Amino acid sequence: DSGVTQTPKHLITATGQRVTLRCSPRSGDLSVYWYQQSLDQGLQFLIQYYNGEERAKGNILERFSAQQFPDLHSELNLSSLELGDSALYFCASSVWGQETQYFGPGTRLLVL
Amino acid sequence: GDSVTQMEGPVTLSEEAFLTINCTYTATGYPSLFWYVQYPGEGLQLLLKATKADDKGSNKGFEATYRKETTSFHLEKGSVQVSDSAVYFCALSDQGGAAGNKLTFGGGTRVLVKP
Repeated sequence: DSGVTQTPKHLITATGQRVTLRCSPRSGDLSVYWYQQSLDQGLQFLIQYYNGEERAKGNILERFSAQQFPDLHSELNLSSLELGDSALYFCASSVWGQETQYFGPGTRLLVL
Repeated sequence: GDSVTQMEGPVTLSEEAFLTINCTYTATGYPSLFWYVQYPGEGLQLLLKATKADDKGSNKGFEATYRKETTSFHLEKGSVQVSDSAVYFCALSDQGGAAGNKLTFGGGTRVLVKP
């Protein structure tokens, strides 16, 4: 158990819908990262937050957005969903001064 | 940009066989290198890491040495078990500073160990 929690574990929705994925980092970790794992694209970095502020952006679609709240949990919002958004979405966290990231169990999203 | 290339799988081995998974990288700076493992139905777990040239990371019988001259970080284990069946990811993190930096992953290598 990494100490990073993600909810829900599974999500099934329809095209055009909007969903919110939630992540709670390990206690004390200020950095939160979101990654997408899909069969065709592999594991890709989406976005990083540090202590509530956006720090880095990767291959994140404009239809996707994220935020980190004062209690340090983070949410990833996916809107106008398409079939191709079906993937496993991971959250990871790290502590100040350390490069090691600890991953949550992921949220498996299926868009029908 | 940064990239990681690792051998494609699946790699199928018998128990107690020697495992090697090749990983090479391209980075602009002096990255830290990682191996993560993903067991079926689970998230990624850190297996080992190395932060500078010639460092050797090791854990659970797995080893990898940071080779700057060949830009490689090959994973090895001398005697695999059925429980080592998983997908292995090589990754790098390039000069993120104390607040951290994104990981760039290779495509993953599926390993299947048969009894």
